[in-house]
Parts: sequence; structure tokens; C-alpha cells
Amino acid sequence: GQNIDQPTEMTATEGAIVQINCTYQTSGFNGLFWYQQHAGEAPTFLSYNVLDGLEEKGRFSSFLSRSKGYSYLLLKELQMKDSASYLCAVPDSNYQLIWGAGTKLIIKP
Amino acid sequence: IAGITQAPTSQILAAGRRMTLRCTQDMRHNAMYWYRQDLGLGLRLIHYSNTAGTTGKGEVPDGYSVSRANTDDFPLTLASAVPSQTSVYFCASSKGTDYTGELFFGEGSRLTVL
Repeated sequence: GQNIDQPTEMTATEGAIVQINCTYQTSGFNGLFWYQQHAGEAPTFLSYNVLDGLEEKGRFSSFLSRSKGYSYLLLKELQMKDSASYLCAVPDSNYQLIWGAGTKLIIKP
Repeated sequence: IAGITQAPTSQILAAGRRMTLRCTQDMRHNAMYWYRQDLGLGLRLIHYSNTAGTTGKGEVPDGYSVSRANTDDFPLTLASAVPSQTSVYFCASSKGTDYTGELFFGEGSRLTVL
């Protein structure tokens, strides 16, 4: 079966760097997604990784290691608006997304 | 503004009542989805549709039904609501029907069943 683990909550300081980890177990592998969700709002797409390595997109980068079943989202130069939940998701054997419970990121001044 | 519209935004419902959550998209996306989100749990797929006229069951379909009469609309019906269906419901769509595409979400419908 599928299983996704993320830390429940993390705290970081404005201007700093934070790494949010995601480990997954799937019967096959078809890529990994990261979404951002502000409190009371809809999730929005951040990244999709299918190959190993780091993909950078502005202040946000996403890393994937398929052999380790591991991904992380790296947020640089943290801003107060980055306070949100970050959701990790992978497709299951029916190609529907299985979602982690999300990591709530709290940014302090 | 193009996107997904859900209604109602919020609803309190007595147990045993029938309820339909509406979802409309104007992006001409092929695939549409209904998820529920509960505290401490990830988004869970209820039902999906890859194209008009077809629907499929997700992870937690019991107690819910959907229809896809056309490309734009994908209503979710609770035939007889129970308290365990208290949740935030998100409708989403994607351009393609494979798993690689970005999902676009509606703003959610907060449902409380008493």
C-alpha cells in the first residue's frame, strides 16, 4: 500500500531557510507533488518531481531521491506569507494522488 | 476569472438530510475530483471523473454519489448525511487525465452535519 510521512509542524524565522521532508512508500513510482495551502484556502501547486535531483523555482526548491523514497521542499529567504501547510502527494497504482497530512510551517519575525 | 467555483461555501445540515455540493469549472478541463480534508489527515479522494459521462470511486466513496453530465459541472451528493461526513470538501480539476498534471482546486465547502 501507499504511505506518506511528513512532520506535523515546523517553526522557522523570517529570512531563514527551512527544509520540509517527505518520505513515501509506494508499489510503483510515478512522481511526487508539493502543494501549498494557506489556512482556510485551497491548495495550490508548487512542484512536480519525477527524476532524482534538485529542481529550483525561485525561493522554493524541491529534491527527490527515488531510491530512498524521500523528498524535501526547501524554502529560502522565508517571508511571513510563507506561513502555510505544505502537502506532499504521490500517485497510487490507479494513478490517483495519495496525500500526506501536511506540514504546518509557522514563520516567526 | 477562470477557475473552479464551489457552492455553498459553508453549510450546517441535520443528520439524515440530503445535500448536494456544486462544482463548476470554466477551464474546459477533462478530469474533475472531489476530496475531503479532515484535521490530521491528508486529502482523501471521494470520487473522480476523467471525462463527461464517466465517474470513478476514490478512496472514501461510501455515502457519496457524483454525476458528470457535461464537462463543466461535477456535483457531489450526500444522500443521507451523517456526522462523520462533517468535513471540508474540495473540488479540483486537471487538464489531462494522467497523474502528471497540476490540480486546480476550488475554495472549498465547509460542511457540518449535526
